[in-house]
Amino acid sequence: TQLLEQSPQFLSIQEGENLTVYCNSSSVFSSLQWYRQEPGEGPVLLVTVVTGGEVKKLKRLTFQFGDARKDSSLHITAAQPGDTGLYLCAVHGANDYKLSFGAGTTVTVRA
Amino acid sequence: GAGVSQTPSNKVTEKGKYVELRCDPISGHTALYWYRQSLGQGPEFLIYFQGTGAADDSGLPNDRFFAVRPEGSVSTLKIQRTERGDSAVYLCASSWDSYSPLHFGNGTRLTVT
Repeated sequence: TQLLEQSPQFLSIQEGENLTVYCNSSSVFSSLQWYRQEPGEGPVLLVTVVTGGEVKKLKRLTFQFGDARKDSSLHITAAQPGDTGLYLCAVHGANDYKLSFGAGTTVTVRA
Repeated sequence: GAGVSQTPSNKVTEKGKYVELRCDPISGHTALYWYRQSLGQGPEFLIYFQGTGAADDSGLPNDRFFAVRPEGSVSTLKIQRTERGDSAVYLCASSWDSYSPLHFGNGTRLTVT
């Protein structure tokens, strides 16, 4: 059983559309991270959310941490082809250095 | 460049062979991590180094896998008697310390035929 469940697994949309991807768990976390990974590259950290109910914005990307700190969402407004990639959520375990990742959502934005 | 460098970028080997994967972390980063990413999955933790010592190797699948970091900088992941199930992308990451954000390299894609 995965610690973090990400949905949907795949998402293909047209340029200019909006999209939301989800990261869910039955566990409570002190913080949660979102990464984007492009083909042939390593994951790149986008944001860390730490407070229940927190909303962070990064240009057209909006990240929300659930009130109970068990889940998170990533919303992209007016998606661009450059937003294409694998979006991963991750949390630290009891040991701060060890990250556990979800399986990711593959987003494809068609021009 | 100033990022994490991994070599080779691709490695094809035959079942049963020995392979070494190299990671050059960002200069000054004391923490170094190895992760493995299979197709359609997120990265899975293998091992964590703080300085020269392996502080946590609980993610290594079995005793065919071993990693070293003798001088606290470059690290090598070693896989003996490779099996087809070892095929994956092996990612290295480094950070200033265990509390700082991770910087990942582009990975080594290992294919065992």
